Amino acid sequence: EVQLVESGGGLVQPGRSLRLSCTGSAFTSGDFGMSWLRQAPGKGLEWLGYIRSKAYGGTTEYAASVKGRFTISRDDSKSIAYLQMDSLKTEDTAVYYCSRDKWTILTGFYFYYMDVWGRGATVTVSS
Amino acid sequence: DIQMTQSPSSLSASVGDRITITCRASQSISRFLNWYQVKPGNAPKLLIYAASNLQSGVPSRFSGSGSGTDFTLTISSLQPEDFATYYCQQSYNTPLYTFGQGTKLEIK
Repeated sequence: EVQLVESGGGLVQPGRSLRLSCTGSAFTSGDFGMSWLRQAPGKGLEWLGYIRSKAYGGTTEYAASVKGRFTISRDDSKSIAYLQMDSLKTEDTAVYYCSRDKWTILTGFYFYYMDVWGRGATVTVSS
Repeated sequence: DIQMTQSPSSLSASVGDRITITCRASQSISRFLNWYQVKPGNAPKLLIYAASNLQSGVPSRFSGSGSGTDFTLTISSLQPEDFATYYCQQSYNTPLYTFGQGTKLEIK
């Protein structure tokens, strides 16, 4: 079964760092772009960032809300994508998800969507 | 940024009901619109991609429609497992995705 599993969540003090991992199984993760998202308590889904596959340069994009504090990387030999979170704030408290980005060509256009998600890792930022 | 607005924010319905959730984009996004189902403790689930295409394995009671700025997700006959929160998401500005604020579907 194609699966993603997040790990590395926990309780961390404001200003500290934390790194989350997203491990893929039953598919070649290196063939896909990967996204990180979060859901804060009582809030909706928020996209945080994306890393392209190596075939497309392995470059990254970030939401304005986390650009400069969060960094996404990948180790395709281990089928892992990482989310490095620095200078954490209390408002970063959330469930963090990773997802696999896929595309389909319809009527000559590329339609992107997130077809596989993990169950999430809880991050609590508190003193 | 493309803003996505869903309505209603919450909805109470009964098993067997037909329900519709609306999603509006702040600019035209053609058919670059996806729908997801989220349940606490579970992995979010893709339901519909490209506005109206049913993801493999998703029951046919789910359907999507729309293009441009206005989209709908319809569940034709609610089942107990459908009570969850639903999100629309634009992929016009890939990969800078944005989501609607969510619609919480509750049992009446």
